[in-house]
Amino acid sequence: DTGVSQDPRHKITKRGQNVTFRCDPISEHNRLYWYRQTLGQGPEFLTYFQNEAQLEKSRLLSDRFSAERPKGSFSTLEIQRTEQGDSAMYLCASSLAGYLEQFFGPGTRLTVL
Amino acid sequence: ELKVEQNPLFLSMQEGKNYTIYCNYSTTSDRLYWYRQDPGKSLESLFVLLSNGAVKQEGRLMASLDTKARLSTLHITAAVHDLSATYFCAVTSDSNYQLIWGAGTKLIIKP
Repeated sequence: DTGVSQDPRHKITKRGQNVTFRCDPISEHNRLYWYRQTLGQGPEFLTYFQNEAQLEKSRLLSDRFSAERPKGSFSTLEIQRTEQGDSAMYLCASSLAGYLEQFFGPGTRLTVL
Repeated sequence: ELKVEQNPLFLSMQEGKNYTIYCNYSTTSDRLYWYRQDPGKSLESLFVLLSNGAVKQEGRLMASLDTKARLSTLHITAAVHDLSATYFCAVTSDSNYQLIWGAGTKLIIKP
C-alpha cells in the first residue's frame, strides 16, 4: 500500500516524558502536514513542510513541539515534557504541490497519564 | 480569522431518508473540502469544490458550493447505514494550504 503511514498508532506516556512520532508520506508527495485532533473536534493545523523546509507553524505549536523532515521524505514530530493537555490524535497528511487534496494517515493516538 | 461552522453537529436519521449538512465559513475562500471520518479512523477525502456553483456527486452524497453565500451543503439521498460517520468540511486559509476545519457532523443512520 502506498498511502500515508504513521508510527506508532498508539502511545501511552507519563507526564513529563518525551515522545516522538513518525510519518511516511505518499512517496512522490512533496508537501507534508501535521494536525492535532481532540475528541469531538475537527483537526487543528500544527505545521507544514514543502520538501525539507518547514514553512509554517501554528501558534498552537509551543516550544515543546518540534518537527523535522530531514531529507524531504519522512517526518518526525517530537513533544518534549508532555502534559495531559497534549493527549490527542496526531494526524499526518501529504499532498503534491499544486494539487488540492491532502491524504491523511491513520494517526497516532497519544495518551498522557 | 477564517472560521468554519457546521450544522447540525449531530444527526440521527432513518435509512431511506434525505438530509442536508450545512457548512458556513467566515471569509473568502475558494476551495472547500468534505471529508469523512469513521470512529477511531483517519480522514477520507470525499469532495473538493473549487468554484461558485460547483456540484459534485458520489453515490448517495452530493456536495455543492455557493461562494457568495460562503456556504456549502452535503446532501444525503436515501441514506443507508454504511454512511454513518462524522463528516467534516474544511476550507483553505490565505496561505492556500492550511486547512481550517469545522467541528464535524456526527451522522447516525438507523436501520
